[in-house]
Amino acid sequence: AQSVSQHNHHVILSEAASLELGCNYSYGGTVNLFWYVQYPGQHLQLLLKYFSGDPLVKGIKGFEAEFIKSKFSFNLRKPSVQWSDTAEYFCAVNAPLYSGYSTLTFGKGTMLLVSP
Amino acid sequence: ETGVTQSPTHLIKTRGQQVTLRCSSQSGHNTVSWYQQALGQGPQFIFQYYREEENGRGNFPPRFSGLQFPNYSSELNVNALELDDSALYLCASSLNRGHDNEQFFGPGTRLTVL
Repeated sequence: AQSVSQHNHHVILSEAASLELGCNYSYGGTVNLFWYVQYPGQHLQLLLKYFSGDPLVKGIKGFEAEFIKSKFSFNLRKPSVQWSDTAEYFCAVNAPLYSGYSTLTFGKGTMLLVSP
Repeated sequence: ETGVTQSPTHLIKTRGQQVTLRCSSQSGHNTVSWYQQALGQGPQFIFQYYREEENGRGNFPPRFSGLQFPNYSSELNVNALELDDSALYLCASSLNRGHDNEQFFGPGTRLTVL
């Protein structure tokens, strides 16, 4: 079974600080990787995704993530956070479990609080 | 293009009752997945429907059941509610089944079981 581990449950940063959120997954085969964000009172939104190709993917709002296959990691980064980045961030893996069927497996989430 | 919608927004039930949650998929999407998000946790996969058939199921008991209709909208039914069923229930739709299809999430239904 696939699983996802997010390293920090809570992160507090000041505006303009750099952000890196860790994510490791366990699955031996081909995976698709995602970072979702949930702003307060809003629904889950896709930040970025990796399916194949360049392991450094860029998403919305200045976020990027790097897929390192040898480390089973997909860490999220942003060079300079803003107060509006305060939200909960979820790493997710989508792997084919059976032919034509797959599911998203999420980590427990990281709550990011950015102080102005 | 209309996104994924869910109803109701909030619901309060008591133990032992039954509940039905509804989801309208994004236009053109034939696959709907349901997730349970308990407080402080990431969403957990309940089941997936593809073209009106259950296409896969997570580790949830049979009292969690679902339906998908010809217009690809979906229902999640939970019988014999327990306190631990209190959670945010998320519906996600995708163009097709298979792991290379992005899932688009609705706003969720917050269920409280007293």
